[in-house]
Amino acid sequence: GAGVSQTPSNKVTEKGKYVELRCDPISGHTALYWYRQSLGQGPEFLIYFQGTGAADDSGLPNDRFFAVRPEGSVSTLKIQRTERGDSAVYLCASSLSTAMNTEAFFGQGTRLTVV
Amino acid sequence: KQEVTQIPAALSVPEGENLVLNCSFTDSAIYNLQWFRQDPGKGLTSLLLIQSSQREQTSGRLNASLDKSSGRSTLYIAASQPGDSATYLCAVGTDKLIFGTGTRLQVFP
Repeated sequence: GAGVSQTPSNKVTEKGKYVELRCDPISGHTALYWYRQSLGQGPEFLIYFQGTGAADDSGLPNDRFFAVRPEGSVSTLKIQRTERGDSAVYLCASSLSTAMNTEAFFGQGTRLTVV
Repeated sequence: KQEVTQIPAALSVPEGENLVLNCSFTDSAIYNLQWFRQDPGKGLTSLLLIQSSQREQTSGRLNASLDKSSGRSTLYIAASQPGDSATYLCAVGTDKLIFGTGTRLQVFP
């Protein structure tokens, strides 16, 4: 595709519910990253994939958060039993490789609001 | 643990001024450094990528420098315009990007 696509752009959910956020990376990009950004802060790393496997999930805050990339392209970030503190913008990025000698391109983000 | 700091946190300048945004990082073992622009409510737009072996990169009115040994990068914006108003983020790259908290720039006519 022309760029990284994230859906939905906005999601409002009730506390305790389950949500899925989708990321469609640039075609041919093997590396995919998820970040979370709170108001007034820089993006905070959550997890990245090289192909289908999660190469580093050290940024996931707890076991309510999980991400998959079953075919090495589209990725889904899943949040169980959502809490109000999960409210943030979730950003996805992709790059040609995880060596990070290549430029990372970001999507427009999904704004998650937990009420 | 890598920490990235950006100074100033906010900057307001009249149109036409040349300005410098600063980024510092604590661990010099990086692959690259990337500068991004973020408009309110939007995602990040990549501006410049500097490889660890490079000293600077230029794109139009933007020039970014990197001094890896001292853990510093600067983004120079020449002849600023109101359309440059946004938040500017630097990020150091290893196997993932670690971001600073950004500099919020406002350029007024």
